[in-house]
Amino acid sequence: QKEVEQDPGPLSVPEGAIVSLNCTYSNSAFQYFMWYRQYSRKGPELLMYTYSSGNKEDGRFTAQVDKSSKYISLFIRDSQPSDSATYLCAMSRGSGYSTLTFGKGTMLLVSP
Amino acid sequence: DADVTQTPRNRITKTGKRIMLECSQTKGHDRMYWYRQDPGLGLRLIYYSFDVKDINKGEISDGYSVSRQAQAKFSLSLESAIPNQTALYFCATSGGDRGRGAFFGQGTRLTVV
Repeated sequence: QKEVEQDPGPLSVPEGAIVSLNCTYSNSAFQYFMWYRQYSRKGPELLMYTYSSGNKEDGRFTAQVDKSSKYISLFIRDSQPSDSATYLCAMSRGSGYSTLTFGKGTMLLVSP
Repeated sequence: DADVTQTPRNRITKTGKRIMLECSQTKGHDRMYWYRQDPGLGLRLIYYSFDVKDINKGEISDGYSVSRQAQAKFSLSLESAIPNQTALYFCATSGGDRGRGAFFGQGTRLTVV
């Protein structure tokens, strides 16, 4: 079993839709959770980060963590064509010398 | 100017050649990383360094070496390039607030022919 699982998509939605992107993980030691957005041929861009369980909102984006289910989500409200990108989840144990473990990314396509 | 700068941005090289990819950062972060990204395989960690005197192998270090010349500079070398090292390579940095994740450069597209 991979440490972090993420559906590669593509996920196609019309403009204005609510998008739900998800990752599951197996390592209960993960404490820090991030979402990255990557446009084609560009570097991943940190979108949101959260610690432990709960929700965090930033504009149209909401990150949700459920540690009991080992499940994280990113919701995008009022999706725009400019949101079309690959979204990668990442997580870490947060200890002094831990590194990030990434999902493989979900490609999102928002059509006008 | 970009906080994490990679050079070159694109490179085509021949099998067997030695090639160096360079990364510099102005974020003042102590930690630096090299990843490669392949379609369907996601981001895989090659090497990482938590400070100037620290070098660690990642998931896929075979065929690669690194040098941390200064806090702000971290270079990746392919000793003898082979075609399956054709990929998109990213340098990343992170700082003391580990929960904030890593910050990536724009990538180097490397093609080995």
